[in-house]
Amino acid sequence: DTGVSQDPRHKITKRGQNVTFRCDPISEHNRLYWYRQTLGQGPEFLTYFQNEAQLEKSRLLSDRFSAERPKGSFSTLEIQRTEQGDSAMYLCASSSTSWDTDTQYFGPGTRLTVL
Amino acid sequence: DQQVKQNSPSLSVQEGRISILNCDYTNSMFDYFLWYKKYPAEGPTFLISISSIKDKNEDGRFTVFLNKSAKHLSLHIVPSQPGDSAVYFCAAHRSNDYKLSFGAGTTVTVRA
Repeated sequence: DTGVSQDPRHKITKRGQNVTFRCDPISEHNRLYWYRQTLGQGPEFLTYFQNEAQLEKSRLLSDRFSAERPKGSFSTLEIQRTEQGDSAMYLCASSSTSWDTDTQYFGPGTRLTVL
Repeated sequence: DQQVKQNSPSLSVQEGRISILNCDYTNSMFDYFLWYKKYPAEGPTFLISISSIKDKNEDGRFTVFLNKSAKHLSLHIVPSQPGDSAVYFCAAHRSNDYKLSFGAGTTVTVRA
């Protein structure tokens, strides 16, 4: 299967701890996105990369959040000093550059629970 | 601000009948629209999309209609099947700004 993969699928942590999530996009895709989804809501955009460059960050992404995509392949999303409000599903998506549109393909997500 | 709205949180339909899901948007700059389907504990799966230069796009049992003047789109599923029971999200983006804005989703239940 060559879809988007995310690791871990579930993470339970205590408030104040740091967590890191990994996303492996579809191999030929040059764009990679992170979204966050809370219960009863649709996914909300956090940040995106084109190759290794982080091109946009949402104001939802506080300074406790950092994302990287070294070498333009996999990406990591780190949350420092986690808070209970960070509990959510973190979704990664990837797409390839096209002239008009951007169909994003999502991974299964990482569900974070902060106790 | 919620730029994409799905005002019906749930829909129940009998197997074999048509499911119609609605979506409204407020940002007139959106010019590409997508529907995703999501099962519990999985990520959203792309279903069908439509560009603002079209008013209809069809793919098998799924048809999306776009009414730009009303800033409204709908997804028709016919005939509905039990495997269609899921949460459906409407999403949109602008040209050259590919981050997606999502609605809150509509939970579809297909009854046997």
